[in-house]
Order: sequence, then structure tokens, then C-alpha cells
Amino acid sequence: DGGITQSPKYLFRKEGQNVTLSCEQNLNHDAMYWYRQDPGQGLRLIYYSQIVNDFQKGDIAEGYSVSREKKESFPLTVTSAQKNPTAFYLCASGGVAGTGTGELFFGEGSRLTVL
Amino acid sequence: AQSVTQLGSHVSVSEGALVLLRCNYSSSVPPYLFWYVQYPNQGLQLLLKYTSAATLVKGINGFEAEFKKSETSFHLTKPSAHMSDAAEYFCAVSPSGGKLIFGQGTELSVKP
Repeated sequence: DGGITQSPKYLFRKEGQNVTLSCEQNLNHDAMYWYRQDPGQGLRLIYYSQIVNDFQKGDIAEGYSVSREKKESFPLTVTSAQKNPTAFYLCASGGVAGTGTGELFFGEGSRLTVL
Repeated sequence: AQSVTQLGSHVSVSEGALVLLRCNYSSSVPPYLFWYVQYPNQGLQLLLKYTSAATLVKGINGFEAEFKKSETSFHLTKPSAHMSDAAEYFCAVSPSGGKLIFGQGTELSVKP
């Protein structure tokens, strides 16, 4: 089945450790996105990529890093510089902005808890 | 600047009652509009979308929304709420197919 796979679903880490969240899609989408979700704050865009080997900062990129070496994959690293990393992280994919309707398809999310 | 406003962060209805979740948008170009639903600890699932065809859009699970350009609104309705409708709902706008802009979300509770 076509879709977006995020792993792990739940992740616990100690303060000061970097963690990497995986996102893989087999929808042949060019664009991929990472959002952070906190209670009562909606979705906030961390990073996005419209093409392999290129990505742009979103609204809250500080303390995060990404790579886009393959079309199918867009991993997110939460670094020790992120002051409050405990959150629910959502990966999404879609067509290149401006070429379609803008519809996004989402993964099931990864919940990161920093102890 | 483009934006989305969802009126009411929490809405509570009784089972069998009408569901009305409000969404207003601003866009300087023709918009595409979406409603997504999110169940606890899950990703977002598309409920329905407006892509400049019919202004009344029908989606999954008995939901529908009407695009009203004059009111810049895209309110979500369902005639009769079911317990399984309890979830968070997000309205989103894509100005001419550009990057999606989300509202803050509305949590729907359904009382038995």
C-alpha cells in the first residue's frame, strides 16, 4: 500500500542526546515536510524539502536538522540544542508547492519524550 | 498574508446533534481548502477538500463543507454526531496550490 511510514512511534531519550526520527514515503511525492504538534498549538512547520538535496527552514527550525538524500526519505534529527523537544512529530508529503492543490498526506506520527 | 481562523478551540455536542465547525480564511489568490481529522496519537487524515469545482463538498464519514467566497468561509458540518466523531479537526488553506497553512484546530467532544 502507498503511504508514509514514520518510526519509531514512541521514543524516550535523556536530555542532551540527539535523536533521529525516520520518515519514508512510497507515494512518489517530491515534497516532504516535518511538523511539530504541542497541545493547543496546532501544527508548526519545522523543515520542508521540495526536491532531493535541498530543504528550507520552517517556522521553528532551531534545534533541528534534516537531510534529503533520497526522494523517499526525509529524516529529522532533534539535537541537544532544542530546548523543549518533548512533542508529537508529524511527517507529510505532497506535490511541489504551486503545481497541484497543495494537499498533504501524513504519517502516523512519532511521540518523543525527553526525560 | 494568508491565514486560517478556526472559531472555537473546543466544541461539544450531544450524540445525534448537528456538528458545525467554523473556518474562515484569508487568501489573496484563489484558494484550495481542506479539512483534516486527527484521532489521538495518530496522523492527520483528509476529510474533504475544495478544489474550485462544486462549492458544496462531501467528504468521508458523512461530513460536508460549503465554500462561500463572499464570506471567506469553509465551515464543516455533519447532520448527526456520532461518538466516533470525537477528534481534533483542522482546517487548512493552500493559496493557489502553495504551501498548506493550518488553523489552530478544533477539538470536538460528543456527549452520549
